[in-house]
Amino acid sequence: QSVLTQPPSVSGAPGQRVTISCTGSSSNIGAGYDVHWYQQLPGTAPKLLIYGNNNRPSGVPDRFSGSKSGTSASLAITGLQAEDEADYYCQSFDSSLSGSRVFGGGTKLTVL
Amino acid sequence: QVTLRESGPALVKPTQTLTLTCTFSGFSLSTSGMCVSWIRQPPGKALEWLARIDWDDDKYYSTSLKTRLTISKDTSKNQVVLTMTNMDPVDTATYYCARMGFYGDALDYWGQGTLVTVSS
Repeated sequence: QSVLTQPPSVSGAPGQRVTISCTGSSSNIGAGYDVHWYQQLPGTAPKLLIYGNNNRPSGVPDRFSGSKSGTSASLAITGLQAEDEADYYCQSFDSSLSGSRVFGGGTKLTVL
Repeated sequence: QVTLRESGPALVKPTQTLTLTCTFSGFSLSTSGMCVSWIRQPPGKALEWLARIDWDDDKYYSTSLKTRLTISKDTSKNQVVLTMTNMDPVDTATYYCARMGFYGDALDYWGQGTLVTVSS
């Protein structure tokens, strides 16, 4: 059971917009700690997609965006492409776990 | 160019101690703010953060695994070592090391991972 809750799967057709939620609590996201998002393509290491809630590292397309409100965060992907099919993970800090960083359970994005 | 590479045994027996080494380049762990974390991923499952070591030698561990983990660094060799004691088949996973500190506590560069199987 992950500290951060994500839907197991989402799907969308090419060109559509999808969102992936990440729900936490008052000891992590709700306490104001940053949320980061990672993309993991099949058989590869995770790649940083969004840092600090809504910032993109250089090289990440602006089709990817992040937001945070209360105890939840969201990743939005617009103009869905076949190459976006991957697992997506959110990550934050939890003050109740002695300095632990925590990940969500991951969401499998299927491009129909 | 920042790179990280994990190395260690592919197979360990139950109850043994696992030692993994992360060798990195393109940054220094003596630079203020730089950190290296270890993360694992059992086959078909989610990521799990394990431990972190900072430039000033501060160390942080997963609450659930802290009694089994030790993280250390050799700044002169650009290496971070993770040991995990009393290995069990449920510890079978791909183990990653990753850099932290350039974008706060986001993990901006990852190694390719090393699969460790625990089996007798």
